[in-house]
Amino acid sequence: GNSVTQMEGPVTLSEEAFLTINCTYTATGYPSLFWYVQYPGEGLQLLLKATKADDKGSNKGFEATYRKETTSFHLEKGSVQVSDSAVYFCALSDPTGGFKTIFGAGTRLFVKA
Amino acid sequence: GAGVSQSPSNKVTEKGKDVELRCDPISGHTALYWYRQRLGQGLEFLIYFQGNSAPDKSGLPSDRFSAERTGESVSTLTIQRTQQEDSAVYLCASSLARAERYGYTFGSGTRLTVV
Repeated sequence: GNSVTQMEGPVTLSEEAFLTINCTYTATGYPSLFWYVQYPGEGLQLLLKATKADDKGSNKGFEATYRKETTSFHLEKGSVQVSDSAVYFCALSDPTGGFKTIFGAGTRLFVKA
Repeated sequence: GAGVSQSPSNKVTEKGKDVELRCDPISGHTALYWYRQRLGQGLEFLIYFQGNSAPDKSGLPSDRFSAERTGESVSTLTIQRTQQEDSAVYLCASSLARAERYGYTFGSGTRLTVV
């Protein structure tokens, strides 16, 4: 079945550090891939997406590239800010596996000033 | 509406009581989803609606859980005879028909506490 595995947190970084949060997936078809973010006290928001292999999703300085050969969709940001502190969820939606989106367990990021 | 609206935002109930959670999706979004998020955990799929039919109810954890949707509008998730393990944030999301292309828009959730 479809699944998403992402690195365990928490991840603690200093401001302006480089961020990578790893995400790998298993899917029966050709899924779309997403990163969602949940800021403290708020609901989940779609951060970025990619719908086919080699696509790069980007938003707010974050980016992730859909790598079919390694079944990965790692989230990166070159210089994090305190305001990026949140929980990040990797997710996939595979129409051949049903209509629901499957979420990873989430990775909590703390950014220190 | 402009966003996905959920009510109540918080609900404390006694074990054994029934609760109803409401979700009002974005106008025009035909697909609606319910998820559950236990403290410190990821999202657990409960049910998916396309219009007012539910092609996928596979995530409902027991027959105490049920959901309905009126047309392409409001959905209600009902939990009967609540148990302490039902305590969680219940999230509703809606999307245009092809969620794999557009992703979800989530509501802010209902935090349910069963005491």
